Amino acid sequence: ILNVEQSPQSLHVQEGDSTNFTCSFPSSNFYALHWYRWETAKSPEALFVMTLNGDEKKKGRISATLNTKEGYSYLYIKGSQPEDSATYLCAFHRSQGNLIFGKGTKLSVKP
Amino acid sequence: DTGVSQDPRHKITKRGQNVTFRCDPISEHNRLYWYRQTLGQGPEFLTYFQNEAQLEKSRLLSDRFSAERPKGSFSTLEIQRTEQGDSAMYLCASSSWGAENEQFFGPGTRLTVL
Repeated sequence: ILNVEQSPQSLHVQEGDSTNFTCSFPSSNFYALHWYRWETAKSPEALFVMTLNGDEKKKGRISATLNTKEGYSYLYIKGSQPEDSATYLCAFHRSQGNLIFGKGTKLSVKP
Repeated sequence: DTGVSQDPRHKITKRGQNVTFRCDPISEHNRLYWYRQTLGQGPEFLTYFQNEAQLEKSRLLSDRFSAERPKGSFSTLEIQRTEQGDSAMYLCASSSWGAENEQFFGPGTRLTVL
C-alpha cells in the first residue's frame, strides 16, 4: 500500500508568521512529487513539480525542498498572509499515470 | 477561460438514480484523469485516458462507474444506481505527457446522493 502522509493536519498562524509543512512518501519507485494549493470552491492550483533529489523550488514567498532518498518534502511559506489560507496537498507520482495524494494541511492565517 | 472545466458543479440526486458528469480538458493536453475526494481525505485516483484510450483504472472504480473519452477531447463519468457512499467531489485533471508536466485540475463536481 502506497501511503502519502502530510503533517500537520491543520495549522493556524498569525499574519506575518512563517510556517512549514511536511509530506512523506515512499522512497522507492519515485517519479515526481507535486504540491498543490486548494482554496475552497476553486480548482486545485499547481505550485511545484519536483523530480530530482535535493531539488529546491521557489515561487514568491513559497518554497519547497525534496529528499527522495528518505522520502520527504517540505513546503515553506514566508511571512504568511490571509490570502495564503487554503489546503496544501502533496501528491506522489510513481509512474506516468495517477497521483497519490496526502490528506492535505489546512492552513488558516489570521489577520 | 482556457482551463479545465467541469459540468455540472453541483449535483443532488436520489439513491438509485444514474448521473453523468462532463470534463473538458485543456485543448492541447492528451491525458485526462478522474479523481474522487471524500470528506477528510485527499483526492483518490479513479481512472485516466491518454487520448481516447483508457489506460488505467483504480479498484475504486466499481462496475457501476464508467468513463469515456470518445474523441480524445472531453470525457464523461457515469455512475449508475448511485449509493450514498458515492457522495463526494469528483475532480478532473488534464496534462501533457511527461513527469514534469503538471496536472491541471478543474473545479470539480460535488455529488450529493440522498
